Amino acid sequence: GQQVMQIPQYQHVQEGEDFTTYCNSSTTLSNIQWYKQRPGGHPVFLIQLVKSGEVKKQKRLTFQFGEAKKNSSLHITATQTTDVGTYFCAAALGSGGSYIPTFGRGTSLIVHP
Amino acid sequence: NAGVMQNPRHLVRRRGQEARLRCSPMKGHSHVYWYRQLPEEGLKFMVYLQKENIIDESGMPKERFSAEFPKEGPSILRIQQVVRGDSAAYFCASSRPGSGSYEQYFGPGTRLTVT
Repeated sequence: GQQVMQIPQYQHVQEGEDFTTYCNSSTTLSNIQWYKQRPGGHPVFLIQLVKSGEVKKQKRLTFQFGEAKKNSSLHITATQTTDVGTYFCAAALGSGGSYIPTFGRGTSLIVHP
Repeated sequence: NAGVMQNPRHLVRRRGQEARLRCSPMKGHSHVYWYRQLPEEGLKFMVYLQKENIIDESGMPKERFSAEFPKEGPSILRIQQVVRGDSAAYFCASSRPGSGSYEQYFGPGTRLTVT
């Protein structure tokens, strides 16, 4: 079935290094959301992207939506131990009226101090 | 403003018992989603409800699982005759359609363990 592919599944970095996770779809997306889930916690909404080529920043986090609206990325500059968690992208793949999001499998970020 | 509430936070059931998971959405939110999450996996959509109406239940197994969101009270996800494979974290999320945002607010989850 249709999926939202997210890579990598895991990423180990040293504190201070950068981190990027990618989300890809075979179909054009109307919008995409990003969430963060801390270990043992629940997903927390980070951002929504809607426009082709859109770039949004939240402090050290940069979110991009591809020109073709089939891919998106989340980049963290100079990671900190507080960035540890799993980052998910989510998008509606169907064309129905209801918004039913499909979540990527997530990228787990491990930051070594 | 209270966030999404879920209870219980942890639930242990023996095989064959029933599990009832409750979710109260954020104030002002009329739509509720239920998701299931296995360890180190993403969130799998189960069902989407609004008050007194199931909008989409395509992700929910047809047998043993049911969900409701009554006019009064929380949304309930019910699992009958639980099996070990039902062990997972179940999250609900609420949203406010028509706001222009597809942002979902998640509850803390119910960790179900079937022994």
